[in-house]
Amino acid sequence: DVKVTQSSRYLVKRTGEKVFLECVQDMDHENMFWYRQDPGLGLRLIYFSYDVKMKEKGDIPEGYSVSREKKERFSLILESASTNQTSMYLCASSFYSLAVNEQFFGPGTRLTVL
Amino acid sequence: KQEVTQIPAALSVPEGENLVLNCSFTDSAIYNLQWFRQDPGKGLTSLLLIQSSQREQTSGRLNASLDKSSGRSTLYIAASQPGDSATYLCAVEYGGSQGNLIFGKGTKLSVKP
Repeated sequence: DVKVTQSSRYLVKRTGEKVFLECVQDMDHENMFWYRQDPGLGLRLIYFSYDVKMKEKGDIPEGYSVSREKKERFSLILESASTNQTSMYLCASSFYSLAVNEQFFGPGTRLTVL
Repeated sequence: KQEVTQIPAALSVPEGENLVLNCSFTDSAIYNLQWFRQDPGKGLTSLLLIQSSQREQTSGRLNASLDKSSGRSTLYIAASQPGDSATYLCAVEYGGSQGNLIFGKGTKLSVKP
């Protein structure tokens, strides 16, 4: 089975702190994604990566950065956390294929910024 | 702008009923369509993926259909059970998107015993 794990299920941080969210997948997937999910807004793509050291902005990259030093690991970084970044963060991965790109998700990290 | 819409936003049915969840998308030039299930406070679980060349996919009591020309997909759940209670999300991948998905906001299903 594909497994996508996230470093924390729940996280509480203070405004201005630097926050690291880690995601690891064990299926040798090329693509990895970070989303945030908010009530009424659905899932929104923050950043994605289709290869090591490659990154692309999604729909809402402001206030975030990412790092992909190894194929299996994709990190989301909040440089200076703000209260409007309180959200559920979901990581996903998939093969890079022209035909089928089934995405597999991690369990999510519920981040609260005080 | 490409959009995915799911109607209704919430649905409550008695146990044992067959039901249909709807998904519509604005641009018919899709690559794939994926249905997910999400339990409260959890991540998404992939249920079915339909490629653009396919009309339907089945897994157990679930059947997903795709009509590209009309921009619609349906998820049919047979003989619903309380354990089916969750939010169901539809997501579409377009060509050239490098695997990115556009998500609907989901249908929250409640199956009453």
